[in-house]
Amino acid sequence: SQTIHQWPATLVQPVGSPLSLECTVEGTSNPNLYWYRQAAGRGLQLLFYSVGIGQISSEVPQNLSASRPQDRQFILSSKKLLLSDSGFYLCAWAGTTYEQYFGPGTRLTVT
Amino acid sequence: DQQVKQNSPSLSVQEGRISILNCDYTNSMFDYFLWYKKYPAEGPTFLISISSIKDKNEDGRFTVFLNKSAKHLSLHIVPSQPGDSAVYFCAATDTGNQFYFGTGTSLTVIP
Repeated sequence: SQTIHQWPATLVQPVGSPLSLECTVEGTSNPNLYWYRQAAGRGLQLLFYSVGIGQISSEVPQNLSASRPQDRQFILSSKKLLLSDSGFYLCAWAGTTYEQYFGPGTRLTVT
Repeated sequence: DQQVKQNSPSLSVQEGRISILNCDYTNSMFDYFLWYKKYPAEGPTFLISISSIKDKNEDGRFTVFLNKSAKHLSLHIVPSQPGDSAVYFCAATDTGNQFYFGTGTSLTVIP
């Protein structure tokens, strides 16, 4: 069966510090991968999606970036965090159907 | 621009009664719609979906209705149970690569 891992579960970082969140998927190959953010009191905002290794599409221009170095690995990064980057970050994968399967999420607090 | 809207941020229903969650969309190119359920501090889980070629899809206590002319879909839960208390997101896609989520409706089922 397929599983999706995200870490860390929680993170507190100062403004201006770098960020690296990792997501890995097991039990499937060539999935579509997604990064979402849920800010406090708001819905899910699609940040990036990837249909293959090295292929990244950005939905929201900002100080975040994403990379897909391996088929089942998706990384969200920032060189310098802003206060507005605080939120709940979710990684998801989708296979041949449209249903997305989400990881447990990372709660990021930028102080 | 919010292409998928859930105008009711919250809903309270008595146990055993019907819960109706609504969702509106603006993009007529959307051809697949999904509902997700989310508990606090967890990732959303897929609940039910519907293709634009249908107007109804049923799965146990959950039924999704699609009205393409009105660009409206709804999720019916009958009978509602306390364990259904969660935030419900609707989502839509046109290409299967990009998904647009509503802001969510928090459902409380009162025992």
